[in-house]
Amino acid sequence: GQQLNQSPQSMFIQEGEDVSMNCTSSSIFNTWLWYKQDPGEGPVLLIALYKAGELTSNGRLTAQFGITRKDSFLNISASIPSDVGIYFCAGPYSGGGADGLTFGKGTHLIIQP
Amino acid sequence: DTEVTQTPKHLVMGMTNKKSLKCEQHMGHRAMYWYKQKAKKPPELMFVYSYEKLSINESVPSRFSPECPNSSLLNLHLHALQPEDSALYLCATTWGGGTEAFFGQGTRLTVV
Repeated sequence: GQQLNQSPQSMFIQEGEDVSMNCTSSSIFNTWLWYKQDPGEGPVLLIALYKAGELTSNGRLTAQFGITRKDSFLNISASIPSDVGIYFCAGPYSGGGADGLTFGKGTHLIIQP
Repeated sequence: DTEVTQTPKHLVMGMTNKKSLKCEQHMGHRAMYWYKQKAKKPPELMFVYSYEKLSINESVPSRFSPECPNSSLLNLHLHALQPEDSALYLCATTWGGGTEAFFGQGTRLTVV
């Protein structure tokens, strides 16, 4: 599968702060997906992006599909305790469609009291 | 409520045991996947079934044997596993032509 570089690896923030994370690929993607995973659970799809330049929101979450089609960003505004977890970017494993996903290494979000 | 159900949620097995993991979906999706996830790592693709046929096998050892009896069920048969096979095993589905995957809650496997 293709390599995805996700950063930062972890974030320690205060409740109420905004969060930003990003993902880059060495090759062009037609789709970018963002997932959140809680401990012991499966990943849950947050946002799907299909067009270069696309900006999509889901509540306090906003994600963008980079113009170059090689990157994507996820922002979380006004973080709350339930935002804690691991966030993964993902894209098509090879040709797309039913070929499965390749994931970034994840951003571990920790909210300090 | 998840529409992709995996059983069991936890499994402890010895290295000589034979066990099976089960995944069931009622989303009408035509592609199903097995992923393996080690602690603090991203999920890694193992197998892809498309329209009940195995289409991708990512060089997974033969001690893992997938099976897709019908469009709603996906099994992963386990035999002679090693302790390093301990991981969270995730099942996922897509409608077949799309990329958005929906995951089950996973089976936490421990090999002793």
